[in-house]
Amino acid sequence: QKEVEQNSGPLSVPEGAIASLNCTYSDRGSQSFFWYRQYSGKSPELIMFIYSNGDKEDGRFTAQLNKASQYVSLLIRDSQPSDSATYLCAVKNYGGSQGNLIFGKGTKLSVKP
Amino acid sequence: KAGVTQTPRYLIKTRGQQVTLSCSPISGHRSVSWYQQTPGQGLQFLFEYFSETQRNKGNFPGRFSGRQFSNSRSEMNVSTLELGDSALYLCASSSGSVAGGYTGELFFGEGSRLTVL
Repeated sequence: QKEVEQNSGPLSVPEGAIASLNCTYSDRGSQSFFWYRQYSGKSPELIMFIYSNGDKEDGRFTAQLNKASQYVSLLIRDSQPSDSATYLCAVKNYGGSQGNLIFGKGTKLSVKP
Repeated sequence: KAGVTQTPRYLIKTRGQQVTLSCSPISGHRSVSWYQQTPGQGLQFLFEYFSETQRNKGNFPGRFSGRQFSNSRSEMNVSTLELGDSALYLCASSSGSVAGGYTGELFFGEGSRLTVL
């Protein structure tokens, strides 16, 4: 069973702090990795994707991938109350098609003013 | 550009009934995927359609089925509903193409919330 694991949280950080969200996956053949944000009562929306080892930065967000450790993380710098949401890690396995992603159960982030 | 449209948004059914959910993808997108989201299991992949063909299927019983039409619109059907089928059903569309290893973004609709009594 190919799995994606996330700490369910809630993760609580003060406004302006760095929020660190972590994800591990079981399939070594996984190729692409995604972070989705889901506000309460809303549908998931893509924040970032990464498929090479290392860091990828986009504004306040940095995705980090370590394929040897089967670990992917998302850092949110200067966290804002509007970042409060559930963050879903998703993985596309080798041979999987574009629409077939394996999702973790999500980490709920709360940013306190 | 219109987003992914799902209908109906909310529905209540009783055990044993069947239900059909509809999804209209973003114009030009040829891939439509369906996911079930529950508090306990999170987002789970049901199936993906591309150019009217089922490209992948998740680990769900045969009561769950789907199809895609020539205009890329998709429907999913659940027969003989069970209490455990109560969930948010999300449809996601994507271009379906793969270029340079990047698989492209999935765009989700607002979902159809099914309650089975």
